[in-house]
Amino acid sequence: DGGITQSPKYLFRKEGQNVTLSCEQNLNHDAMYWYRQDPGQGLRLIYYSQIVNDFQKGDIAEGYSVSREKKESFPLTVTSAQKNPTAFYLCASSIRNQPQHFGDGTRLSIL
Amino acid sequence: EDKVVQSPLSLVVHEGDTVTLNCSYEVTNFRSLLWYKQEKKAPTFLFMLTSSGIEKKSGRLSSILDKKELFSILNITATQTGDSAVYLCAPYAGGTSYGKLTFGQGTILTVHP
Repeated sequence: DGGITQSPKYLFRKEGQNVTLSCEQNLNHDAMYWYRQDPGQGLRLIYYSQIVNDFQKGDIAEGYSVSREKKESFPLTVTSAQKNPTAFYLCASSIRNQPQHFGDGTRLSIL
Repeated sequence: EDKVVQSPLSLVVHEGDTVTLNCSYEVTNFRSLLWYKQEKKAPTFLFMLTSSGIEKKSGRLSSILDKKELFSILNITATQTGDSAVYLCAPYAGGTSYGKLTFGQGTILTVHP
């Protein structure tokens, strides 16, 4: 089945540690996105990528990094510079001017 | 700065009631407006509205867009407990080949039996 797979479902980060969230899609979509969702809030855009080897900062990119080496994959690294990383992270993909499809998310917590 | 406001923030109803959810927006280079339903995990797509005044329907759900007044509404008739979720609206905007979505904070709908 076509879809977006995010892993892991739950992740814990220690102080000073970088962690990487995985996002893979087999929908053949060109664009991929990372969002952060805090309790009681909507989704905020962290980074997005329209083509391989290119990506742009969203509204809250500080403390995060991404790569897009393959069309199918768009991993997100939460660096130690992100001081409040506890949140629900959602990955999405789309083709031009069509609705974004979302993965099931990763919940990140601080140890 | 792009802005999206949803109201009410939360709503509690009983099965069979009809509800109306509101979304007002101010974005640059507006293209369309999307509604999503989020239960526990991934938001699932409901509607994409591009033209003013044309109602889109899917079963008991319907939605309409007013591009002059910059708002959209989502109606749910004969609500069921399975409609309990967070409903998100998101204008799609931008001048490049791929725009971006700006999400509202969501309306939490709780439907009691």
